[in-house]
Amino acid sequence: SQQGEEDPQALSIQEGENATMNCSYKTSINNLQWYRQNSGRGLVHLILIRSNEREKHSGRLRVTLDTSKKSSSLLITASRAADTASYFCATDVEYNFNKFYFGSGTKLNVKP
Amino acid sequence: GAVVSQHPSRVICKSGTSVKIECRSLDFQATTMFWYRQFPKKSLMLMATSNEGSKATYEQGVEKDKFLINHASLTLSTLTVTSAHPEDSSFYICSARDIAGGPYEQYFGPGTRLTVT
Repeated sequence: SQQGEEDPQALSIQEGENATMNCSYKTSINNLQWYRQNSGRGLVHLILIRSNEREKHSGRLRVTLDTSKKSSSLLITASRAADTASYFCATDVEYNFNKFYFGSGTKLNVKP
Repeated sequence: GAVVSQHPSRVICKSGTSVKIECRSLDFQATTMFWYRQFPKKSLMLMATSNEGSKATYEQGVEKDKFLINHASLTLSTLTVTSAHPEDSSFYICSARDIAGGPYEQYFGPGTRLTVT
């Protein structure tokens, strides 16, 4: 990818379990965002975390950011079958917050 | 609010022809729009930044003569794939930055699937 990698590439869990996805990036950033994409569809914005924040919550989502390691994680708690989708992190670059570069994505499958 | 549309949603064309994809911000104005390309089961690759009233800025490795971008108004950007080849088949997604919003507020269109036969 242009900016970073995500792991795992694919994750399969049972409904009710937690899902954790990790994202690493290459350059200094202003913000990191997580997006969700259902198969063959556009992107839905999930959450934004700024470079001076370490953790953020939104409903069942918890995002952490470690700028020293240039990494972030997305935790989805109590997963549902409807959470099945691909999840991408996106970063801007420190000198240009207009551009987003996406990670390679994690394909999450939540089995009912 | 903050809806971005793309047209068409799917298009099939023959090799050698050109295809135009439209990206519209429906309820906000966008001085800046972005075009991404996504290969099957892959991530989104930023192709270019489209600026209203000026030339687009292309990412390294993207052929500007191949992928023509026009941002003629605050609500419309177009991507024209010229002389399309099968390797241009892909999912093209645009995003738009709200002129009244923060710099990191981008809204994504639903994508256009291009198949070149």
